[in-house]
Amino acid sequence: KAGVTQTPRYLIKTRGQQVTLSCSPISGHRSVSWYQQTPGQGLQFLFEYFSETQRNKGNFPGRFSGRQFSNSRSEMNVSTLELGDSALYLCASTREQGAYGYTFGSGTRLTVV
Amino acid sequence: QQQVKQSPQSLIVQKGGISIINCAYENTAFDYFPWYQQFPGKGPALLIAIRPDVSEKKEGRFTISFNKSAKQFSLHIMDSQPGDSATYFCAALDNNAGNMLTFGGGTRLMVKP
Repeated sequence: KAGVTQTPRYLIKTRGQQVTLSCSPISGHRSVSWYQQTPGQGLQFLFEYFSETQRNKGNFPGRFSGRQFSNSRSEMNVSTLELGDSALYLCASTREQGAYGYTFGSGTRLTVV
Repeated sequence: QQQVKQSPQSLIVQKGGISIINCAYENTAFDYFPWYQQFPGKGPALLIAIRPDVSEKKEGRFTISFNKSAKQFSLHIMDSQPGDSATYFCAALDNNAGNMLTFGGGTRLMVKP
């Protein structure tokens, strides 16, 4: 059974650029959530999508956005990158709504220079 | 802001010993408390979880103890092994406030052979 797949694994971008990260959930999982992990702030919730609808959004600026497609795959976009956006971005999926039994991907390591 | 406070930040245990990680929360609306294990380069993996109507849950060498009145919960790893060396995160969910986990700051566990 394939796990949650995040691409790319590593990314280096320049300040001011934008970036798109991709997440393919486990087959049959319809809920996809995104988290940012940094040494200083730990794991912080970005947003959750269920059946192509954003259900919840964390306390992040509008530069962070996302979407979910009909096949449950999700993308997140960060525009006008700042140095502080350097982090590990994690995607988690689950079958139903909610954070019960999340399966996390291995993440995308974004470095902004 | 909802918070989950985790201690200690780091822990060194001898092989065969008991590792104990503690978490405290403030929001009495939290109704699901999972623990995650994270190895370098990987996303967090669900270890064990508990709901507040249960005071203890055991799965193999891992036990969650939950004290609702004190708003505290802890993870006990019995017979700790070098392969348990990882970062552990406690988390909490208020299902009525949105489908997002609030994570503790993490504990880096090292089990010495």
